[in-house]
Amino acid sequence: EVVLTQSPATLSLSPGERATLSCRASQSVSNCLAWYQQKPGQPPRLLIYDVSKRATGIPARFSGSGSGTDFTLTISSLEPEDFAVYYCQQCSNWRTFGPGTRMDIK
Amino acid sequence: QVQLVESGGGVFQPGRSLRLSCAASGFPFSIYGMHWVRQAPGKGLEWVAVIGHDGTYIHYTESMKGRFTISRDNSKNTLYLQMNGLGVEDTAVYYCARDFEISKYVDYWGQGTLVSVSS
Repeated sequence: EVVLTQSPATLSLSPGERATLSCRASQSVSNCLAWYQQKPGQPPRLLIYDVSKRATGIPARFSGSGSGTDFTLTISSLEPEDFAVYYCQQCSNWRTFGPGTRMDIK
Repeated sequence: QVQLVESGGGVFQPGRSLRLSCAASGFPFSIYGMHWVRQAPGKGLEWVAVIGHDGTYIHYTESMKGRFTISRDNSKNTLYLQMNGLGVEDTAVYYCARDFEISKYVDYWGQGTLVSVSS
């Protein structure tokens, strides 16, 4: 099973700041990686797939990068609606999610 | 617009069985693979199972093989999850979700149905 670890567990930032979230896989997942955003009481929303492709309707301030085992989600300038929990997900070996990064307003 | 509406959740005793349903609308259900993903209260996401568009491809997370059965009825635009031998560890919100990029990801999710297993 591919285990994903995410860091930091919690990130406290202010609107307008840049956010950098990390996801590391226990073995290479090639480019089979996505990022989801989840707000309280809502289902997750697909943000990024295949490492760096934005899903339909996702603003350009969200970007993904990385390869192999190390991946990054970057939010260039935080908007108030971006404070949420973010999960990475791999699809190289079945499907697993990381434990999530909670982003709070500082 | 795409809508996925889960039902069948509630409070159940350990060992019981139940069947969740997911009614789909707003897209051609019969050409999409579908997934179940669950989330224990206050915890992260866990994939449960996937079923191909015509039901011939099915895959489960290893820990759920043998207890859970995913199925679909394309004539009713409905996805199902049969859950047997419930344990307290199965307490979670169960989401159905639509396939994206040939089962690699999911793009649309329902609001979920809560299954609570307690004696």
